[in-house]
Amino acid sequence: GNSVTQMEGPVTLSEEAFLTINCTYTATGYPSLFWYVQYPGEGLQLLLKATKADDKGSNKGFEATYRKETTSFHLEKGSVQVSDSAVYFCALSDRPGNQFYFGTGTSLTVIP
Amino acid sequence: DAGVIQSPRHEVTEMGQEVTLRCKPISGHDYLFWYRQTMMRGLELLIYFNNNVPIDDSGMPEDRFSAKMPNASFSTLKIQPSEPRDSAVYFCASSLEQRTDEQYFGPGTRLTVT
Repeated sequence: GNSVTQMEGPVTLSEEAFLTINCTYTATGYPSLFWYVQYPGEGLQLLLKATKADDKGSNKGFEATYRKETTSFHLEKGSVQVSDSAVYFCALSDRPGNQFYFGTGTSLTVIP
Repeated sequence: DAGVIQSPRHEVTEMGQEVTLRCKPISGHDYLFWYRQTMMRGLELLIYFNNNVPIDDSGMPEDRFSAKMPNASFSTLKIQPSEPRDSAVYFCASSLEQRTDEQYFGPGTRLTVT
């Protein structure tokens, strides 16, 4: 079956620190992979995506590379800001129109 | 566009009462999804619709839950009777047929059942 496993939180970093949030997946086919972000009191927003192996998704300084050999899609940012404080969800969809499978979310707090 | 609209934003009710959550998807979107988010179970897909037709309701926890989409611009999620364990944040999301990989989420309804 399909599933997503992401690192447990919460994660607390100082401003300008390097961020990595690990995500691995299990899928029966060739899924598309996503990172969504949820700011306090809001719904989830698409942060970035990759639709095939070796693709790199990027947005707002965040990056993630689709690694088929390690079934991973780790989220990285070189220098986090206080405004990046949110909950980050890794997700997969194994075909267009099909449901998403979300990880449990990783809470990030960035302190000045 | 106003985005996905959900109402109410907060609902507090007593056990045994009926609860109705409402969602207005983004105009023109073909897919509508209902999710439930709790600390214990994370984000769970309850049901989704394509062109107003329910496609997969396997995530609906039990018969107390029902969802309808009478037209392209409105959907409801009903819980009858409600129980304390139904307390959660319920999200509605919508997407386009051609871009189902991008779901747009509403702000959620925080339900508390006492």
